[in-house]
Amino acid sequence: QVHLQESGPGLVKPSETLSLICSVSGYSLTSGYYWGWIRQPPGKGLEWLGSIYHNGDTDYNPSLKSRVTISVDTSNNQFSLKLVSLTAADTAVYYCARTLDFTSSAPFDFWGQGVRVTVSS
Amino acid sequence: DIQMTQSPSSVSASVGDRVTITCRASQGINRWLAWYQQKPGLAPRLLIYAAYTLQSGVPSRFSGSGSGTDFTLTITRLQPEDFGTFYCQQTDTFPITFGQGTRLDI
Repeated sequence: QVHLQESGPGLVKPSETLSLICSVSGYSLTSGYYWGWIRQPPGKGLEWLGSIYHNGDTDYNPSLKSRVTISVDTSNNQFSLKLVSLTAADTAVYYCARTLDFTSSAPFDFWGQGVRVTVSS
Repeated sequence: DIQMTQSPSSVSASVGDRVTITCRASQGINRWLAWYQQKPGLAPRLLIYAAYTLQSGVPSRFSGSGSGTDFTLTITRLQPEDFGTFYCQQTDTFPITFGQGTRLDI
């Protein structure tokens, strides 16, 4: 069974950089599928941030205006999210997830439990 | 970006009822639509993909239909555990986008 677990700081200051890691167990990143980040502000809906393949190919949401970077560490079976120039609008629960199949735009069938991130001074 | 609009925004129903939630895309997405259920404090759960294909382990009382711009999620014989917020997601064109959600209270 595939298991994903997000980790990272729960509180970050405005203008700083958020770094989150998604640790994957039960499946090797190098075996395929795309791996993504999705966030959910308090009381609001879901926003796709971007996805990555094990070879480093990425797709990003243009709405983040180049503030986001997703990278993969196959040796540790992890992938990560970096979001720069944070504002209060980035306060959200951040989820990592795996796609249903080997296409980059496929829906997500396995999700982490989510990590709550608050941007505040 | 493709805008996804769900209706209603919330619905109340009773055990045994039939509930229908609709999702409209701002442009055609063929059948590349997925539905998720999310309960408070938990990650979303994939219910249906490619408009009408039931994800493994999802009860058959959930069904999806539609193509192009108009889609429907139907839950028949509503059960107490079916509460939560339901989201549609288009997987046709980047960026991937979600509907705003429909809250279902039992």
